[in-house]
Formats: sequence, C-alpha cells, structure tokens
Amino acid sequence: AQRVTQPEKLLSVFKGAPVELKCNYSYSGSPELFWYVQYSRQRLQLLLRHISRESIKGFTADLNKGETSFHLKKPFAQEEDSAMYYCALSPVNSGNTPLVFGKGTRLSVIA
Amino acid sequence: EAGVAQSPRYKIIEKRQSVAFWCNPISGHATLYWYQQILGQGPKLLIQFQNNGVVDDSQLPKDRFSAERLKGVDSTLKIQPAKLEDSAVYLCASSLRQGANENEKLFFGSGTQLSVL
Repeated sequence: AQRVTQPEKLLSVFKGAPVELKCNYSYSGSPELFWYVQYSRQRLQLLLRHISRESIKGFTADLNKGETSFHLKKPFAQEEDSAMYYCALSPVNSGNTPLVFGKGTRLSVIA
Repeated sequence: EAGVAQSPRYKIIEKRQSVAFWCNPISGHATLYWYQQILGQGPKLLIQFQNNGVVDDSQLPKDRFSAERLKGVDSTLKIQPAKLEDSAVYLCASSLRQGANENEKLFFGSGTQLSVL
C-alpha cells in the first residue's frame, strides 16, 4: 500500500528565508510524486510533479528514491507562499490508480 | 475554462439524516473523483469514475455512502444515514485521462463542507 508522510503540520519562516517542506513516501514500486497547494479561500491545485522537473513559483522538488523523499524547496520565501501544501503519490503507469495524499503542511511566511 | 462545480457549498444536518452532493466536472473530462477531507487530514479517495463506470470504490463505506455518474458527466454523492464522523469537506475532482498510462493532473472543485450535529 502507498503511504505519504508529511511530518510537519505547521512551518513558519520569515520572508526571504529558505523553505523546505518535507515529504516521505512508502511504496514498493516506482512512484510518481506531486505537490498540491491550497491558498486561502482557493481550490486545491497542482503545484508541481516530479516528472516535469520544472520550477513553479520558485519551488522545486527532487525525488530521492534512496531516501524515499520528495521535499519541496524554495530559496527565498514570499508572503504569498503562505498556504496549505499537500504531497501526493501515484504509481507510475498505473492507469487509473488515484492519488494518495499526505496530511499536509501549513506554511506561514512572516513579514 | 470553467472549473469543477460543486453544490451546495455548505450543509448542516443532524445525525441519521440524509444528504446529497452534486458535482459537474470540467467539460470533456472522463475521470471523476470524490474525496473526503476530514479536518487536519489530507484528502482521502472515496470513489473514482471513468466515464459512467466505477473504477475504484474500495474506500467507500457502502453501508451508508452511494455515488452515481449515470451519463458520464455530472455525479452525485449521497450519505444515508449520516453519522457525526462524516463531518468533513467533500471534494470533487476531474481529470482528462487522455492516455491509459498517464497520471493526469487533477482539477478540484471548491468542495462541500458538511457538518453533522
């Protein structure tokens, strides 16, 4: 069974400081990992996925299969980054297998 | 493009009552999901449809929850009878599913916040 663990419920950082939101997963096969974000009073939306290897809003995430991690990083936090962040997993080439979400981390960026 | 539409936005009921939620996915999206999100937790899948067929309902409490997507477009999720522990946000999501081996991006609705008293 797949499992996603986000160890921090709340992370507070000062504006301009680096940010790292931790995500660890448990899955015996090849996973596809995602980060979804929910800003205040907005819908849950995709932030980035590991296969795209892209940077979105300054955020990056690298899949580390050895450590089974997919931490989300940004070098300089902005106030508009304050939101709820969810890490999610789906098996690669699974066709119809749905996403499994972690419990989420609330990021608060302090001015 | 228009997003995933859900209604109602909020619902308050007493335990043992019935409640229904409605979802209209993005036009052309073949796959529709219902997720339950309890306060402080991540979304948990209840049921997944591909067109009008059920793909995965293994986590749906079938003694009280039911869902349908009769014409492969709109979907309804029903709880009958509701329990206190059903208090949660019920999220509908859809995806395009162009390819059988692609993990498609999910588009979420605003959700229905259910309070069972």
